[in-house]
Amino acid sequence: DTGVSQDPRHKITKRGQNVTFRCDPISEHNRLYWYRQTLGQGPEFLTYFQNEAQLEKSRLLSDRFSAERPKGSFSTLEIQRTEQGDSAMYLCASSSSNYGYTFGSGTRLTVV
Amino acid sequence: QQQVKQSPQSLIVQKGGISIINCAYENTAFDYFPWYQQFPGKGPALLIAIRPDVSEKKEGRFTISFNKSAKQFSLHIMDSQPGDSATYFCAASLSGNTGKLIFGQGTTLQVKP
Repeated sequence: DTGVSQDPRHKITKRGQNVTFRCDPISEHNRLYWYRQTLGQGPEFLTYFQNEAQLEKSRLLSDRFSAERPKGSFSTLEIQRTEQGDSAMYLCASSSSNYGYTFGSGTRLTVV
Repeated sequence: QQQVKQSPQSLIVQKGGISIINCAYENTAFDYFPWYQQFPGKGPALLIAIRPDVSEKKEGRFTISFNKSAKQFSLHIMDSQPGDSATYFCAASLSGNTGKLIFGQGTTLQVKP
């Protein structure tokens, strides 16, 4: 296992379309996080899973956003009815404790 | 209260010089302070981290200085190299909760040869 894998790396979509991103964490990590990063800014927390349970969601995660982690393995982040303001890098991270995340390389979303 | 403020926004240093990046926080309950390094097109990578029970931590050329009373911490990169050119983010978290990180705005470092 070489790290956190995210797919796709880049996604261009038209406004109003739905998109789904996938994250495969490091296999022994039970904690999984999603962050959003816009150009020139630090990552902003979106949501947290411990195993399959979604334990925290940010106010940034509007009702158009949904995340799942079935069976506590991979995770998906879906954005419905995309808006131009959703354009960002979506980062996934995993860890086995409260410290020392490993981030993936992210999915860059462009909404046109 | 949840913010972490980072400065400067950008920094240019000559090869061999010392790069210093500063962060300040408000929430005194934060108890874990990592620094991340990010190269273009990559996710952030953990560089070094500190807990508030120590005032300094050093790993190779990277040192964190922590001032609990001032609620400030800084990253020092000694003998800066062109390969250190990247964006650096400080962060803070409440370790007893979910491990959610609050990131600073980032500092873009350019080390000139």
